[in-house]
Amino acid sequence: GENVEQHPSTLSVQEGDSAVIKCTYSDSASNYFPWYKQELGKRPQLIIDIRSNVGEKKDQRIAVTLNKTAKHFSLHITETQPEDSAVYFCAASWDNTDKLIFGTGTRLQVFP
Amino acid sequence: SQTIHQWPATLVQPVGSPLSLECTVEGTSNPNLYWYRQAAGRGLQLLFYSVGIGQISSEVPQNLSASRPQDRQFILSSKKLLLSDSGFYLCAWSASSSMGQFFGPGTRLTVL
Repeated sequence: GENVEQHPSTLSVQEGDSAVIKCTYSDSASNYFPWYKQELGKRPQLIIDIRSNVGEKKDQRIAVTLNKTAKHFSLHITETQPEDSAVYFCAASWDNTDKLIFGTGTRLQVFP
Repeated sequence: SQTIHQWPATLVQPVGSPLSLECTVEGTSNPNLYWYRQAAGRGLQLLFYSVGIGQISSEVPQNLSASRPQDRQFILSSKKLLLSDSGFYLCAWSASSSMGQFFGPGTRLTVL
């Protein structure tokens, strides 16, 4: 079945720097890739997603890129702020499935 | 707009006691519904999902069960709780397959 690997497990950056989290997936049929942000004690929230017919998507300071050939997708956060500190989860899905396969999460800490 | 509710928000139960967690969704029809469990500092473990009334798919064999008695209601149950059942239980919905899931506020369960 589909497997999603996420790296790194922890990431510390200085405020204002960029942060990149990378995920790889195993099933070439995967065509939907959402990213979730989970603040401490809160629910995961969908922050951005991308479909396989698009190579890049941007929303203000966050962007997601997809490389279908290499089967990996990445979350890019620019000009990081302390409020970006959270755990980020990537996920993958494909047609004919009702599930999302989640990565193991990345704990991002942004230091002032 | 759609909203998802879970209750209770927190629960402390003795080992061997029963459990019933409820999730309801408003503002949509025939959603896919999901139950996840998250241990402290860990990732999202899919427990059950449902694509329609009375249709339940189990992902992890354990002492939990799920039911969907109405279109927008999803219930997680146990007859006898174990210590290992402690965790953060999240309900989620999606409009259809291969689409983003939206999480409820969660129930924090402590089994003593």
